[in-house]
Amino acid sequence: DSGVTQTPKHLITATGQRVTLRCSPRSGDLSVYWYQQSLDQGLQFLIQYYNGEERAKGNILERFSAQQFPDLHSELNLSSLELGDSALYFCASSVLGRASGANVLTFGAGSRLTVL
Amino acid sequence: AQTVTQSQPEMSVQEAETVTLSCTYDTSENNYYLFWYKQPPSRQMILVIRQEAYKQQNATENRFSVNFQKAAKSFSLKISDSQLGDTAMYFCAFMARINFGNEKLTFGTGTRLTIIP
Repeated sequence: DSGVTQTPKHLITATGQRVTLRCSPRSGDLSVYWYQQSLDQGLQFLIQYYNGEERAKGNILERFSAQQFPDLHSELNLSSLELGDSALYFCASSVLGRASGANVLTFGAGSRLTVL
Repeated sequence: AQTVTQSQPEMSVQEAETVTLSCTYDTSENNYYLFWYKQPPSRQMILVIRQEAYKQQNATENRFSVNFQKAAKSFSLKISDSQLGDTAMYFCAFMARINFGNEKLTFGTGTRLTIIP
């Protein structure tokens, strides 16, 4: 158990629908990252939050949005779903704020989304 | 923008042998970090090893070690005495220390490693 909790683990839905993926970061971690991994592909960075504020944005579609709440959990909202949105969505968290050293990301187990 | 290239889509090796996975990257940054993550069939992303670019000494974690060549922008992973549990997809990743709070990982496309009994 990495300490990063993602729900749901699996989700099957239809095209045009909207889903919400949830992430609880490791205790003490202030930053949350979302990544998308399509079938047998690398991980694509979507968005990063730090202590409730958006800090970096990747190639996130306009149909997707995210936020980080005061309790530091984060949600990724995917709307008007298309077949190509089927993927494994990872959340990762990190402490940041360290005076030195690498910013190590700890990943959750992922949420597998299937769009039919 | 940074890019990470893994030129070996698949590799296989006999159990107990040594295998080296290649990774090259492109960046104009001078201060950055490099990582190898492992993704077994469970799909969990697991950190294997990390390297700070300002450190000349190559990082080592038990059977895993890296060969970091900063000038060549090369970062290979060596697995010694390979075990069946090492079967996984291995991702090389780059992180630039650009701004505090603005650090993300850029991943390569991965190398699928199979350990043969």
